[in-house]
Amino acid sequence: DTEVTQTPKHLVMGMTNKKSLKCEQHMGHRAMYWYKQKAKKPPELMFVYSYEKLSINESVPSRFSPECPNSSLLNLHLHALQPEDSALYLCASSPGQGYNSPLHFGNGTRLTVT
Amino acid sequence: AQSVTQLGSHVSVSEGALVLLRCNYSSSVPPYLFWYVQYPNQGLQLLLKYTTGATLVKGINGFEAEFKKSETSFHLTKPSAHMSDAAEYFCAVRFNAGGTSYGKLTFGQGTILTVHP
Repeated sequence: DTEVTQTPKHLVMGMTNKKSLKCEQHMGHRAMYWYKQKAKKPPELMFVYSYEKLSINESVPSRFSPECPNSSLLNLHLHALQPEDSALYLCASSPGQGYNSPLHFGNGTRLTVT
Repeated sequence: AQSVTQLGSHVSVSEGALVLLRCNYSSSVPPYLFWYVQYPNQGLQLLLKYTTGATLVKGINGFEAEFKKSETSFHLTKPSAHMSDAAEYFCAVRFNAGGTSYGKLTFGQGTILTVHP
């Protein structure tokens, strides 16, 4: 069982919809991440939160809006997405942002934009 | 430029055979190295990570990886493949950003392992 829980597992949304992806971890990790993975590709970093503050934004379009309400929760708010945004969205956490700190991934949310 | 390369997008082995998945990095300073596995419709699971000073790293599910600085490699091996090993494997590296506390985790392109009965 994964220790990083993502909901929902599947999401279908239209281009005018607003939806949110949720991620939760109870390992006491202080860094949390959002990754996007297209089919047959490796994960690509979107955002990093460290101690509940946004520390890295990989030039992600503003239609993706991250939020970290507390040290255990991470949200990704979606608005006015495009069909090419359809992908597997992975949340991850790590004890810190240190170089040797491995990431623990959730099982992802499979997003389809129609 | 710093990069990570996985040689072979697909590897096919027979059950019981040796598994060898290749990973090479390009960097003047040895990076921090990880191997992850991804089963269909799941997230990534950490198999093992390189710890400074150790050349042979043991991971879960019988996998191990050998760090060779001279060859800038971190290949993943398993002596005897099992059907349940069929999955996609990613080599990932954190390059030393020189004085900063954070190194972005960069993934290789992945290798799909198929295991035949």
